[in-house]
Amino acid sequence: DGGITQSPKYLFRKEGQNVTLSCEQNLNHDAMYWYRQDPGQGLRLIYYSQIVNDFQKGDIAEGYSVSREKKESFPLTVTSAQKNPTAFYLCASSIDRTSGGNEQFFGPGTRLTVL
Amino acid sequence: GQSLEQPSEVTAVEGAIVQINCTYQTSGFYGLSWYQQHDGGAPTFLSYNALDGLEETGRFSSFLSRSDSYGYLLLQELQMKDSASYFCAVRAGSYQLTFGKGTKLSVIP
Repeated sequence: DGGITQSPKYLFRKEGQNVTLSCEQNLNHDAMYWYRQDPGQGLRLIYYSQIVNDFQKGDIAEGYSVSREKKESFPLTVTSAQKNPTAFYLCASSIDRTSGGNEQFFGPGTRLTVL
Repeated sequence: GQSLEQPSEVTAVEGAIVQINCTYQTSGFYGLSWYQQHDGGAPTFLSYNALDGLEETGRFSSFLSRSDSYGYLLLQELQMKDSASYFCAVRAGSYQLTFGKGTKLSVIP
């Protein structure tokens, strides 16, 4: 079955440590996205990638970094520079950058808690 | 920039009809999407409106009025499994979506 996988589902880290969240898709989608969701809030865009080896900052990129070396993979690193990293992180993909404004497919999310 | 307003919570009775409104302000506009998210789960796409009017998909319908910068999601024959958060999202001149804060729908027996 095609889909998006994120691992792990729950992640705990100590303050000051970098942590990398995994996102893999086998939908053959060109575009991929990372969102952050806080309790009672909508989704805020961190980074997005329209094609391999290219990515752009979203609305809240500070303290985060990404890479897109393969079409299937778009890992997100939460660095120690991120002031308040505890949140629910969602990865998404769309067929291409045009359809990304319409329909995006989401992974199950990773809940990161920084202690 | 973009901003979206939708009610934070709505409660409705099983079998009834409920409407969730969304108003938006954008510097450009291509379309309005709706997503459903159950607690702890991933958002799933429900509908997309680029043109004025009503789009129907089973028990769910979505409406858009571009001149009023307004849309709504209509859920008919409510079921307990419809209890979830519903997000409107706009595509405004880029390849990104900007999401509202979501409406938590509680369906009661």
